[in-house]
Amino acid sequence: QLHLQESGPGLVRPSETLSLTCIVSDASIRSRSHYWGWIRQPPGKGLEWIGTIYYSGHTYYNPSLKTRVTISVDTSKNQFSLNLTSVTAADTAVYYCAREGDILTGYYVDYWGQGTLVTVSS
Amino acid sequence: QLVLTQSPSASASLGASVKLTCTLSSGHSNYAIAWHQHHPVKGPRYLMKLNTDGSHNKGDGIPDRFSGSSSGAERYLTISSLQSDDEADYYCQTWGTGMRVFGGGTKLTVL
Repeated sequence: QLHLQESGPGLVRPSETLSLTCIVSDASIRSRSHYWGWIRQPPGKGLEWIGTIYYSGHTYYNPSLKTRVTISVDTSKNQFSLNLTSVTAADTAVYYCAREGDILTGYYVDYWGQGTLVTVSS
Repeated sequence: QLVLTQSPSASASLGASVKLTCTLSSGHSNYAIAWHQHHPVKGPRYLMKLNTDGSHNKGDGIPDRFSGSSSGAERYLTISSLQSDDEADYYCQTWGTGMRVFGGGTKLTVL
C-alpha cells in the first residue's frame, strides 16, 4: 500500500527557507495517473492547499503563496520537495504531502502523509 | 469563486447516525468533491470521492457505515452506527484546473 513520509526540520527561523521532502513508497512517482501535492494546517485552523506537481515537473501553486513556493520532483529518488521562502510565524503549521488523482478521475487527495509540524520561531 | 462551506461542528450519540454537509458556492453545483477524515490520533485519511449524482468511490478499507449523497449544491457524508473512534474533523475538498479547495472542516463529537 502506498506510503508517504514527510521529512525536514521541525524548526525554521523567521525570514529563512522552509524545506521539506516527501518520500513515496510502494508506488511510482512517475505514475501518469497521479499528481503529488503539499497541504498545510496552521494550529487550530483548517487545511490550505499549497501546490501540486506532476512527475514531468509541471506545477500548480496556490496564488496566495505563489511568490514564495517552489515544488520540485526527483523521479530517481521517488520523492518530491517543498521550498517556502521568507517564512514568518504565520507559516507555522502541520505540513502534509499527498497523492492526487488526475483529470480523468479528479484532482482529489486519495492518500495522505502523516504530516510534520514545522514551527517558525527564532 | 470556488468555495466549500461546512458547519464548524456537529454532534451525535454513540450508535446513532449523523449527516455532515458540504455546500458548493453558487455556479459550482456540478462539481464533484472528496471527503476526508482527520483523526486526532490516527491522522488524515481519504474517505470517498462523491459525484454530482451521488455515486461515490471509497478509499481502501473504508467501512460501509460511511456513505455519501448529493442534492444540488449540497454534498453529504453520512456516518451510521457511530463509534467513539469516529470523533474527528471531516473536510470536503474540490478542485478545478490548477487549483484545489478545502472546506473549513466540521468537528464531529460523538456523545
